[in-house]
Amino acid sequence: AQSVSQHNHHVILSEAASLELGCNYSYGGTVNLFWYVQYPGQHLQLLLKYFSGDPLVKGIKGFEAEFIKSKFSFNLRKPSVQWSDTAEYFCAVITTGRRALTFGSGTRLQVQP
Amino acid sequence: EAEVAQSPRYKITEKSQAVAFWCDPISGHATLYWYRQILGQGPELLVQFQDESVVDDSQLPKDRFSAERLKGVDSTLKIQPAELGDSAMYLCASSFSGPGVDGYTFGSGTRLTVV
Repeated sequence: AQSVSQHNHHVILSEAASLELGCNYSYGGTVNLFWYVQYPGQHLQLLLKYFSGDPLVKGIKGFEAEFIKSKFSFNLRKPSVQWSDTAEYFCAVITTGRRALTFGSGTRLQVQP
Repeated sequence: EAEVAQSPRYKITEKSQAVAFWCDPISGHATLYWYRQILGQGPELLVQFQDESVVDDSQLPKDRFSAERLKGVDSTLKIQPAELGDSAMYLCASSFSGPGVDGYTFGSGTRLTVV
C-alpha cells in the first residue's frame, strides 16, 4: 500500500531563512507526487506536482521540490521564506493502480517576521 | 476561478444524531472524493466516485456513513448516528480525469463538531 511520511511536524523559521520540508513515500513503482498548501482558514491548494521528466519541479510562489527516486523522497524547498508562507504543507502520492491521493500528516510552518 | 462548493461550513451536532454534508464539484469533473481530516493529521480518503458510481469506499465506515452521487454531479455524505470521534473536517474534492493528471481541487470543507 502507498504511504507518505512527513517527519517534520512543526517548523519555525525567521523571514528570509531557507526552507526544506521532508517527504518520503513507500512504494517501489511509478509514482506521481504532489505538495499541497493550506493557508489559515483556506482550502487546500496545489503547490506543485511531479509526474515524469525533470526531477526538479518548480511550483507557485517560489517553491520547488526535488524527486529523488533512490531515496523515495520528494522534499519541498524555498530559498527565502516570507511571513505569508505560514501554513500547513501536505505531501501526497498516487501510485500505479490507485485512483486517489494518499496524504502525509502535514508539516505546520510558522514564519516569524 | 471555478470552485468546489461545500455546505454547511460548520456543523455542531449531538452524539447519536444524523448529519449530512453536501458537495457540488467543478462543472465537468467526473471524479469526486470525500476526505476526512482529523486535527493535526492529513486528509484520509473516505469514498471516491466516478460519475455516479462508487470507485472506492474501502475506508468508509459503512455501519454509520453513507455517500451518494445520484446524478453524477453533486454528492451527499451522511453520518448516522454521529459519534464523538467523528469530529473532524470533511473535505470534498473533484478532478477532471483523476488525480494523476491535474491533482484535485478542494472545497473549503465542513467542520463537524460532535458534542
